[in-house]
Amino acid sequence: NAGVTQTPKFRVLKTGQSMTLLCAQDMNHEYMYWYRQDPGMGLRLIHYSVGEGTTAKGEVPDGYNVSRLKKQNFLLGLESAAPSQTSVYFCASSYQGLAGVGEQFFGPGTRLTVL
Amino acid sequence: GQNIDQPTEMTATEGAIVQINCTYQTSGFNGLFWYQQHAGEAPTFLSYNVLDGLEEKGRFSSFLSRSKGYSYLLLKELQMKDSASYLCAAESNTGNQFYFGTGTSLTVIP
Repeated sequence: NAGVTQTPKFRVLKTGQSMTLLCAQDMNHEYMYWYRQDPGMGLRLIHYSVGEGTTAKGEVPDGYNVSRLKKQNFLLGLESAAPSQTSVYFCASSYQGLAGVGEQFFGPGTRLTVL
Repeated sequence: GQNIDQPTEMTATEGAIVQINCTYQTSGFNGLFWYQQHAGEAPTFLSYNVLDGLEEKGRFSSFLSRSKGYSYLLLKELQMKDSASYLCAAESNTGNQFYFGTGTSLTVIP
């Protein structure tokens, strides 16, 4: 089991460029999440999905779009990158637990710099 | 709104016990998670509390008081490898979302 993988690990973009971050999980989890982590801000939820074909907005969705066409994949798109989107992006997946959503399993992160 | 508070930094001595506190205010609270994150790495799961009381897992224990909106993580017999950031996260039962605190950076000194 690879767990949660993210592609790419590092990326440098120029302002206005677009890119897609790919997250894949092989644990058959229903739930998938995209977070960004900035110094002093903690992890903030961008978008999430509770199942294949569904997506929802989190705390900081502006400037991002997502798609969940297959259960195992969750894509995060930046249509027109801005310097404020320089961050570390983490993908996570989780299962339905007995009392709520189970623990989250995180990918290794993508370090994005927008110049 | 959502508000998760935890101390920014703590320092403790190898072999000692340290308690990291977390207070939360969330709508539709379901449970409280603790994660460990070493520098440059992804967070990893430590513990989950949904009911009031103490959950013990080896050197790590976590406590929850739902009425007080309060949790703590207790680390015993500290080791140098425990130097990391500890994140508390409140699970909301509206939309299956998680709200993270900014993390407590723990430094273990000899």
